Amino acid sequence: DAGITQSPRYKITETGRQVTLMCHQTWSHSYMFWYRQDLGHGLRLIYYSAAADITDKGEVPDGYVVSRSKTENFPLTLESATRSQTSVYFCASRGLAGEGAYEQYFGPGTRLTVT
Amino acid sequence: QKEVEQNSGPLSVPEGAIASLNCTYSDRGSQSFFWYRQYSGKSPELIMFIYSNGDKEDGRFTAQLNKASQYVSLLIRDSQPSDSATYLCAVNIGRGNQFYFGTGTSLTVIP
Repeated sequence: DAGITQSPRYKITETGRQVTLMCHQTWSHSYMFWYRQDLGHGLRLIYYSAAADITDKGEVPDGYVVSRSKTENFPLTLESATRSQTSVYFCASRGLAGEGAYEQYFGPGTRLTVT
Repeated sequence: QKEVEQNSGPLSVPEGAIASLNCTYSDRGSQSFFWYRQYSGKSPELIMFIYSNGDKEDGRFTAQLNKASQYVSLLIRDSQPSDSATYLCAVNIGRGNQFYFGTGTSLTVIP
């Protein structure tokens, strides 16, 4: 199916473990983004990527690593998970909304709990 | 100061009324402005975007932008119970390709 998908949808992990969240889009959008959403903070950008092999930090990058070897995939890795990383993670890609404005299309989200 | 500020609400309106959602932003370099709707447990979906001063209408939704006042709003006419959701204001600021989101306003439309 066309669109943007995330896996897993739900994940429970323990403090100190490494976990990778996957994101895949079929639109061939150049830009992809990772956000986390927490009560009281809204959506905060973790990392983004302008193209394969080009990534940049967002507002809250500490504790996260990204890579982008292929245009369609943008995995997010928590190298050593902490309880403060319990959150809902959204992947997004950027497409043209019209009139020169760019819209972000969001994946369904991954709910991560770190115990 | 946050880049994007919204009244957190919650906002309650009766069915058929006009719901007014407000957003202010701090960076005068902001170029594009978006309103997303997010149902509980779901991902945000775009409902309106605007980048020129003035009003933009799309069905029951009207976005209003005033760059001088750094203010963008969303009006929902003839509110329906299905409009009950959290509405996120997002701003695309020229530097990088970053979007900044407000914390959202929770809207409940009472039948």
